[in-house]
Amino acid sequence: TQLLEQSPQFLSIQEGENLTVYCNSSSVFSSLQWYRQEPGEGPVLLVTVVTGGEVKKLKRLTFQFGDARKDSSLHITAAQPGDTGLYLCAGLLYNQGGKLIFGQGTELSVKP
Amino acid sequence: KAGVTQTPRYLIKTRGQQVTLSCSPISGHRSVSWYQQTPGQGLQFLFEYFSETQRNKGNFPGRFSGRQFSNSRSEMNVSTLELGDSALYLCASSPTGGSTGELFFGEGSRLTVL
Repeated sequence: TQLLEQSPQFLSIQEGENLTVYCNSSSVFSSLQWYRQEPGEGPVLLVTVVTGGEVKKLKRLTFQFGDARKDSSLHITAAQPGDTGLYLCAGLLYNQGGKLIFGQGTELSVKP
Repeated sequence: KAGVTQTPRYLIKTRGQQVTLSCSPISGHRSVSWYQQTPGQGLQFLFEYFSETQRNKGNFPGRFSGRQFSNSRSEMNVSTLELGDSALYLCASSPTGGSTGELFFGEGSRLTVL
């Protein structure tokens, strides 16, 4: 059983479209991170959200942490081919410093 | 500032053999953690070290072990390799001791077990 359920697993869209990736859990997290991974490379941190209800924007990317700190979403506006990659959400449980729980990932393909 | 360095990048072993992977964290980072990434299971936590002490361990068999040296460099070892150990092994370091979940990953060591 996956502690952090991420959906959708695969997403293929055209350039210019919007998309949302969801990350859900029954557990409460002290913080939640979103990473992006490209083939042959390790994941790269995009953002950390810490406060319930928090919304962070990074150019065309908007990240939201649920009020109950159990879920998060990543919204991309006007997707570009350069956004193609594997998006991973990861949560840190209380008193589990250094141990991130990862979602299964969303493989995003943006076609020109 | 140099990133997290993992060696070797690729290796092929046969069942029953053992393997040692190395990780050099970003300078100043004292927390090093290891993850296994497979297509079926995604990224799964192996263990985390801080100042040479293992602080947390994932649900992997005892064949998987690790250690951290006084210069924060870390190694992980897998003994008696099985086919299912084929994976990308990722090392990550943290400037905050892992307390915020902000990790800096290396490019990984891709292990193939035949």
